[in-house]
Amino acid sequence: QVQLHESGPGLVKPSQTLSLTCTVSGGSISSGDYYWSWIRQPPGKGLEWMGYIHDSGSTYYNPSLKSRVNISVDTSKNQFSLNLSSVTAADTAVYYCARSEGYCSSTSCQNWFDPWGQGTLVTVSS
Amino acid sequence: EIVMTQSPATLSVSPGERATLSCRASQSVISNLAWYQQKPGQAPRLLIYGVSARATGIPARFSGSGSGTEFTLTISSLQSEDFAIYSCQQYNNWPFTFGPGTKVDIK
Repeated sequence: QVQLHESGPGLVKPSQTLSLTCTVSGGSISSGDYYWSWIRQPPGKGLEWMGYIHDSGSTYYNPSLKSRVNISVDTSKNQFSLNLSSVTAADTAVYYCARSEGYCSSTSCQNWFDPWGQGTLVTVSS
Repeated sequence: EIVMTQSPATLSVSPGERATLSCRASQSVISNLAWYQQKPGQAPRLLIYGVSARATGIPARFSGSGSGTEFTLTISSLQSEDFAIYSCQQYNNWPFTFGPGTKVDIK
């Protein structure tokens, strides 16, 4: 069964870049059947989908973050990564990676999330 | 962006009772609606997708209904392990968005 695990620094200074990696085990990230997502949850708040990537390199980002977020994939390591630039305290959150299941047409995709990694708390503070 | 709202914010239920949770979308999402369960300190867990299809391993006491903009998650007989936060998610339009969640706690 597929499992995901986030890793990266737990503390990032304001204005710097937050970088996280998600390692996928129990299945290949290159199967072509899925998109791979980053989702975050500020303390005590709801979930925010940040964006996702296909193993082909195709991406979609949440417009609320689009200028600051980049998601990349390393199929040789079965990993995908998140970079979020110019962070502020508002970016303090638990960051989850997740596999995105669903289907795509020629113009859009419809995806839910399963499974999820256990999450990693990233605090933005000087 | 489609805004998802959920009601009530908190639902107090006794074990064995039925729980009915509501989710509303700001515009139609057709049947592209999922539900997740989240316990403290844990990642969300997919319960239902496509409004009413249970994910693998999800007990039959969880059921979903609705279409368009109004959706319902029903837990037919609450078990101790069901006390958690439940969030809905629309996946009809990018960006995919979540509701704020309904906390189901013990009455």
